[in-house]
Amino acid sequence: DTEVTQTPKHLVMGMTNKKSLKCEQHMGHRAMYWYKQKAKKPPELMFVYSYEKLSINESVPSRFSPECPNSSLLNLHLHALQPEDSALYLCASSQEREKLFFGSGTQLSVL
Amino acid sequence: QQQVKQSPQSLIVQKGGISIINCAYENTAFDYFPWYQQFPGKGPALLIAIRPDVSEKKEGRFTISFNKSAKQFSLHIMDSQPGDSATYFCAAGDSGGGADGLTFGKGTHLIIQP
Repeated sequence: DTEVTQTPKHLVMGMTNKKSLKCEQHMGHRAMYWYKQKAKKPPELMFVYSYEKLSINESVPSRFSPECPNSSLLNLHLHALQPEDSALYLCASSQEREKLFFGSGTQLSVL
Repeated sequence: QQQVKQSPQSLIVQKGGISIINCAYENTAFDYFPWYQQFPGKGPALLIAIRPDVSEKKEGRFTISFNKSAKQFSLHIMDSQPGDSATYFCAAGDSGGGADGLTFGKGTHLIIQP
């Protein structure tokens, strides 16, 4: 199994909503990542979890809250988002720090 | 983050032709150089990668050429097909003491015309 699975695939939310994005991998990878990608732009790193501990937080606003319940799961909790937060949110995992495997992403629209 | 500069921003190639995308990096600590292919609405997929101990790596129609002294690397797609139409990102990583993750180029939108 070489997949990183993300749910939901699409999400529309209002600025007052609370929602969560979920990511799962069963490759035994030690690190998991959240990236944000705007249209026609490269992925931008948001958070890195290494061995279930948050190791990198790229100055992301507090309306984004990551959680790593165990070594296979990664969540991104969303609250009070802004329309400019609309983007493709990508989860990735790796065993060696630079070999990233990406999921298909959640296309988020904030109204 | 250290930059990875990618060119061209967009590229149109005739079917059967050679597509060439170039990248340059600054950080000499980088020691892993992957290329990702991304289709609309999908996540990036690892296409091919190279380490600095070799100057070229070939997998099927895809070849990476690497010039360590110039700090440049490129992707060549031979016999380009319409199914190769996608956005391609070069990236660089540091397997040593650097941070997890990759530094990405800005991407190249490739169109293969039938």
